Amino acid sequence: DGGITQSPKYLFRKEGQNVTLSCEQNLNHDAMYWYRQDPGQGLRLIYYSQIVNDFQKGDIAEGYSVSREKKESFPLTVTSAQKNPTAFYLCASSRDRGVNTEAFFGQGTRLTVV
Amino acid sequence: ILNVEQSPQSLHVQEGDSTNFTCSFPSSNFYALHWYRWETAKSPEALFVMTLNGDEKKKGRISATLNTKEGYSYLYIKGSQPEDSATYLCAFRGYSTLTFGKGTMLLVSP
Repeated sequence: DGGITQSPKYLFRKEGQNVTLSCEQNLNHDAMYWYRQDPGQGLRLIYYSQIVNDFQKGDIAEGYSVSREKKESFPLTVTSAQKNPTAFYLCASSRDRGVNTEAFFGQGTRLTVV
Repeated sequence: ILNVEQSPQSLHVQEGDSTNFTCSFPSSNFYALHWYRWETAKSPEALFVMTLNGDEKKKGRISATLNTKEGYSYLYIKGSQPEDSATYLCAFRGYSTLTFGKGTMLLVSP
């Protein structure tokens, strides 16, 4: 089955540690995205990539880093510089950067800083 | 940061009721308007992608309209069923990215 796989589903991190969230897609999509959701908030864009080896900051990129070395993979690192990392993180992809292309989502990773 | 507003925030209806939600978005630099349904414990799934002023889309009992000049879209559900219970998200597509509203949470009671 084609789709987007995020792992792990739940992640606990100690304050001051970096942690990497995995996102893999087998849809052969060019574009990939990372969103964050907090209670009472909409999905907010962290980073996006429209092609391999290229990525752009979204609205809330501070304290995060990404890489896009392979088309199917777009890992997100939450660094110790992120002040409020506890949140639900969603990865998405779309076929291309066209305006008509819908986004496909993973099932998310819930990160808790303890 | 773009402002995409959805109303109401939540809605509780009885099975068989018809309902509608609103999404307001900037009328400038508009490329497309997306609607997604997000059921609990699942991933958001696309319902509609609309690009043209006056667009109307329909999928079963769910339909949507688009007014890009005044910056709003309506989502209608006719004869709501319990399986329609979900959060409905709209997203404004600008030049490069999607900006989401906070969603409307719909609960349909049998």
